Amino acid sequence: DAGVIQSPRHEVTEMGQEVTLRCKPISGHNSLFWYRQTMMRGLELLIYFNNNVPIDDSGMPEDRFSAKMPNASFSTLKIQPSEPRDSAVYFCASSLGGDQETQYFGPGTRLLVL
Amino acid sequence: GDSVTQMEGPVTLSEEAFLTINCTYTATGYPSLFWYVQYPGEGLQLLLKATKADDKGSNKGFEATYRKETTSFHLEKGSVQVSDSAVYFCALSGAHSASKIIFGSGTRLSIRP
Repeated sequence: DAGVIQSPRHEVTEMGQEVTLRCKPISGHNSLFWYRQTMMRGLELLIYFNNNVPIDDSGMPEDRFSAKMPNASFSTLKIQPSEPRDSAVYFCASSLGGDQETQYFGPGTRLLVL
Repeated sequence: GDSVTQMEGPVTLSEEAFLTINCTYTATGYPSLFWYVQYPGEGLQLLLKATKADDKGSNKGFEATYRKETTSFHLEKGSVQVSDSAVYFCALSGAHSASKIIFGSGTRLSIRP
């Protein structure tokens, strides 16, 4: 299996621009998670989906952030407008869901907002 | 709410030294416990897990035992290698949702040759 796939791997943008991060979970996995990692705040769960439905978005920082999962094999995390404090590594992870808690992480997208 | 507390880093050891990274947790119910490892420039990957009290998880020479009486899940390795240099995260599955995992703050480990 190819594992969790994220794109792009690196993104540099200017403040105010829209940023879209993409994730393809492992085939057959029912749960998908978006995390943000920074030196200051560590690893934060932003949102997670079960069977394409958002279950908990309490970690989404503010209205500038939105996430969608239109089907079982694709999810996006969008930031509009982006700000320098959004600079971080964003990880997507997936799991089988239910009692199968083990999460499999993608390689991450390193975002720099200038 | 549920939480995980792990020892602050960074931890620096010489090759072949004994490693312990402490982890304690607070949770309602009976969560599963995990150690994840993050190598430089990569995502997290599962190192080991334990699903009930007194279970021992092990992988790649690392071990951790689920201690309900002390609410702990300390990570140990008898002889570390340079290739073990990474950030280690203790974690537990959420009490109200097995899908959601709560991670500790991570402990950076550096091994000197």
